[in-house]
Amino acid sequence: DVKVTQSSRYLVKRTGEKVFLECVQDMDHENMFWYRQDPGLGLRLIYFSYDVKMKEKGDIPEGYSVSREKKERFSLILESASTNQTSMYLCASRLPLGQGHSGIAGELFFGEGSRLTVL
Amino acid sequence: GDSVTQMEGPVTLSEEAFLTINCTYTATGYPSLFWYVQYPGEGLQLLLKATKADDKGSNKGFEATYRKETTSFHLEKGSVQVSDSAVYFCALPSGAGSYQLTFGKGTKLSVIP
Repeated sequence: DVKVTQSSRYLVKRTGEKVFLECVQDMDHENMFWYRQDPGLGLRLIYFSYDVKMKEKGDIPEGYSVSREKKERFSLILESASTNQTSMYLCASRLPLGQGHSGIAGELFFGEGSRLTVL
Repeated sequence: GDSVTQMEGPVTLSEEAFLTINCTYTATGYPSLFWYVQYPGEGLQLLLKATKADDKGSNKGFEATYRKETTSFHLEKGSVQVSDSAVYFCALPSGAGSYQLTFGKGTKLSVIP
């Protein structure tokens, strides 16, 4: 079974703290994604990565950075957390488009989410 | 850019009622279309998909037909169960090379016994 694991289900941080959200997948997927989910706004893409050491900005990258040093791991970093970053963060992975059944159709596999509260 | 619009929720239904959640899309060409579901406390998972016009995706009693004439991909189920209570998202590929998935805002369904 496909498995995407996010390191923390719940975090509480203070304004100005540096925050690391870790995501690991065990499917040898090349593409990985970070979304945030907010009520009334749905899912918005923060960053994604085609492959190791590659990253691309999504729709709302401001205030975030990412790291992809190994294929299986994609980290989201909040350099200086702010209260407006309180949200649910979802990691996802996928085969490259055109590869395999899931890759052709673009199916994403999601982790269970990390709920971050910034005080 | 490419986008999806889905009906606002929340939707509350009695068990065994008929469900429709509307989704319309705006896109160049004919992209694949998806419905994802998020059960309480979990991440999203793919519910069904359709890769070309007139295709019907189905899974767990849910169905959706890709209709290019009305640019729609409405989700339906004939008889909902309490276990179907979840948030449902319509989605389509977007961005350069269609690498991204753009999601609708989600529709929360609550099914009461």
